[in-house]
Amino acid sequence: DSGVTQTPKHLITATGQRVTLRCSPRSGDLSVYWYQQSLDQGLQFLIQYYNGEERAKGNILERFSAQQFPDLHSELNLSSLELGDSALYFCASGTGGNTEAFFGQGTRLTVV
Amino acid sequence: GIQVEQSPPDLILQEGANSTLRCNFSDSVNNLQWFHQNPWGQLINLFYIPSGTKQNGRLSATTVATERYSLLYISSSQTTDSGVYFCAVLGGYQKVTFGTGTKLQVIP
Repeated sequence: DSGVTQTPKHLITATGQRVTLRCSPRSGDLSVYWYQQSLDQGLQFLIQYYNGEERAKGNILERFSAQQFPDLHSELNLSSLELGDSALYFCASGTGGNTEAFFGQGTRLTVV
Repeated sequence: GIQVEQSPPDLILQEGANSTLRCNFSDSVNNLQWFHQNPWGQLINLFYIPSGTKQNGRLSATTVATERYSLLYISSSQTTDSGVYFCAVLGGYQKVTFGTGTKLQVIP
């Protein structure tokens, strides 16, 4: 158990809908990272937050947004969902900077 | 951005065999990690190794940062080692880049 909790584990939704994925980091970690793993794109870095502030942005679509709350949990919001958004979404946490990241079990999103 | 290449892309081993997986990266990095993604999709930390050598049981890893590569050694492989092995690097601007992975199948 990495100590990073993601909910829900599975999500099935229709095209055009909006969903929210939740991540609770390991105790003491200030940094949260979001990744998308799809069959054709591999593991893609989406966005990083550190202590409530956005720190780095990767290949995140404009239809996607994220935030980190004062209690350090994070949410990834995906809207106007398309079939191609079906993927495994991972959250990771770390202390920030160049340190080791620990991954949650992922949320498997299926858009139908 | 940084390019991360892993080789080989696929590997089939007989149980008990040894193997070496390689990760090449195109620029200086601040951090390198190796992960194992098991058949259920879970990403498991293996090593945090920006430089030097580390060992954990049957696994060991070496990163030569000046030559921009890292190696993961698996000895006496077991069927539970099957899955995909990823290296991930942290370069400038906190951006994390994963390699394309090595898919390992260990057969009894």
